[in-house]
Amino acid sequence: EAGVVQSPRYKIIEKKQPVAFWCNPISGHNTLYWYLQNLGQGPELLIRYENEEAVDDSQLPKDRFSAERLKGVDSTLKIQPAELGDSAVYLCASSSNRDTEKETQYFGPGTRLLVL
Amino acid sequence: AQTVTQSQPEMSVQEAETVTLSCTYDTSENNYYLFWYKQPPSRQMILVIRQEAYKQQNATENRFSVNFQKAAKSFSLKISDSQLGDTAMYFCAFRRLFSGSRLTFGEGTQLTVNP
Repeated sequence: EAGVVQSPRYKIIEKKQPVAFWCNPISGHNTLYWYLQNLGQGPELLIRYENEEAVDDSQLPKDRFSAERLKGVDSTLKIQPAELGDSAVYLCASSSNRDTEKETQYFGPGTRLLVL
Repeated sequence: AQTVTQSQPEMSVQEAETVTLSCTYDTSENNYYLFWYKQPPSRQMILVIRQEAYKQQNATENRFSVNFQKAAKSFSLKISDSQLGDTAMYFCAFRRLFSGSRLTFGEGTQLTVNP
């Protein structure tokens, strides 16, 4: 079974440019999460989707960040415009409420963003 | 709000030895989940072990086991017979009981296993 897929793995952009990250969760997983991981720190949730509905986006900086999960499967996270402080790793995770492992969150490899 | 604290930024251990990573947390809830995740340099976050707070028995997974002290809000990870491949950042995480809730992570402990 394929794991959580993210692309790109690395992205370098200049400040004020837009950038987008893509995530394809494990097949059948209804819950999708985007986490932000700054260097040397633990991940922090940006947004959580239940199917196509964003149910927890309290930590998402809505002035520049947006996300969508139109068909309840894959998701895109966008930053426009990017700032120097956005340099970090963006992790996607998914889970299933039917998971016999009681909703364990499975993580993708992440996208490392560097804003110059 | 829940908080998770890992007070050991770095630890090292000799191959084949045993090491214990510490984690404390703060919550007002009675039932919840606790996790240890491993993040090797490749950055793929991998679940190591999970503990349900309503279970008194400590979870074990092969060489990995936890010491869960609910009253003290402590959740330490013991790695036995350490292997070079155990070198990674280890994160302790808390999750509320309700379906799909977020993980709250600690700051992480960088573990290095030396040959």
